[in-house]
Order: sequence, then structure tokens, then C-alpha cells
Amino acid sequence: AQSVTQLDSQVPVFEEAPVELRCNYSSSVSVYLFWYVQYPNQGLQLLLKYLSGSTLVKGINGFEAEFNKSQTSFHLRKPSVHISDTAEYFCAVSGENSGYALNFGKGTSLLVTP
Amino acid sequence: EPEVTQTPSHQVTQMGQEVILRCVPISNHLYFYWYRQILGQKVEFLVSFYNNEISEKSEIFDDQFSVERPDGSNFTLKIRSTKLEDSAMYFCASSDDGVPTTNEKLFFGSGTQLSVL
Repeated sequence: AQSVTQLDSQVPVFEEAPVELRCNYSSSVSVYLFWYVQYPNQGLQLLLKYLSGSTLVKGINGFEAEFNKSQTSFHLRKPSVHISDTAEYFCAVSGENSGYALNFGKGTSLLVTP
Repeated sequence: EPEVTQTPSHQVTQMGQEVILRCVPISNHLYFYWYRQILGQKVEFLVSFYNNEISEKSEIFDDQFSVERPDGSNFTLKIRSTKLEDSAMYFCASSDDGVPTTNEKLFFGSGTQLSVL
């Protein structure tokens, strides 16, 4: 089955600074990769996804992620964060072995301060 | 924008009691899911539901869990006899498309925080 590891549980960053949230996956078959964001008191919202094709995917709110098969990574990046980006970020994977159900990481809490 | 609605946002229950968590999926969606997140742990898949039956379930979804779509709008998760370890945030999700590559069409609710005392 597929699984993901989010290496950082918390990432503090100053406003307008760049940020990278790390995600590594394990799978023996082709996978689909996702990043979800959860703002306080809200549901999970899809940020971006990698299904196939270009390894650099762009999502909402200025986020992007790069699928790196050799490093089995799918790190999320933003060149300049805003206070409003403060949220919980979840990396997720699905694929044939999981019956296509999403397997989530533990989440990374991004805290943006002035 | 359409949204998945979950009620209540927070439920407290005594160990051994039955609880029903309620979800109203997006109206034209056909695929329904429950996930949960124990504090500090991963969001875990519990069950998927389509055409009035369970299409897939995880090891977590044992006999004490059941799901139902009692009418045309609600999708419920019942825990028959709650345990302390059932304390978690439970997320409902729905989709109009069960095709695997289109998980991006999965819409999540804001969750119900279940606390078992």
C-alpha cells in the first residue's frame, strides 16, 4: 500500500518569506499525489494534485509542488507566504494498491507571523 | 460554492454509548466517504459508500462501525459502542465521480470532533 511521510510537524515562517513543506511517499506502483489545506474550523480543501504529465504542478493561492520520482518526494512550495496561509497542510497519496482511497500524512502546521 | 455539511461540530459521549455522526453531502454527489484523524496522527480512511452499499473499508472500520444513507440527503456514521480510542476528528467527504484519478473532485466537510470520556 502507499504511504506518505511529512517530515515536519510544524513550520514557523515570517510573512513574505519562502516556504517548503516536505512530503515523501512510498509505493511500488504508480501513484497520484495531493496536497490539501485545512484552515481553522474548515474542511480539507484541495491545493493541488499530481496525476501524470508535468512534474511541476501549480495550485491555488500561489502554491506549487514538484513530483520527484527518484527521490519519491512531492514537496510543497510557495515563494512568499502571507499571514492567511497559516493552516494545516496534508500530503496524500492514492493508487491501485490502496483501492484509490486517499492515504494522508500526519500534516504540517504552517504558522506565518509578521 | 457547494459544501459538505457535518453536524455536530463537537460531540461528547460516554464510553460504551452509541453515537451517530451526520453529514449532508453535496446534493448531486454519488460517492461518500468517512475519514478520521486521531489527535497528532494521520488522517485515516474509514469507508467509502456508493449505490447504497459499502464499496471499500479499511481495517479500522470494524463491526462497531456502520454507515447509512437513510434518506436522499444524509449520510451517517454510527459507532455502536464507543471506546476511548474512538476520540478523533471525523471527516465526511463526497464526490460526483468515483474514478480514481479524479480524487480532486473530493469535497470534505469541516469535521466532527468526537470526544469519548
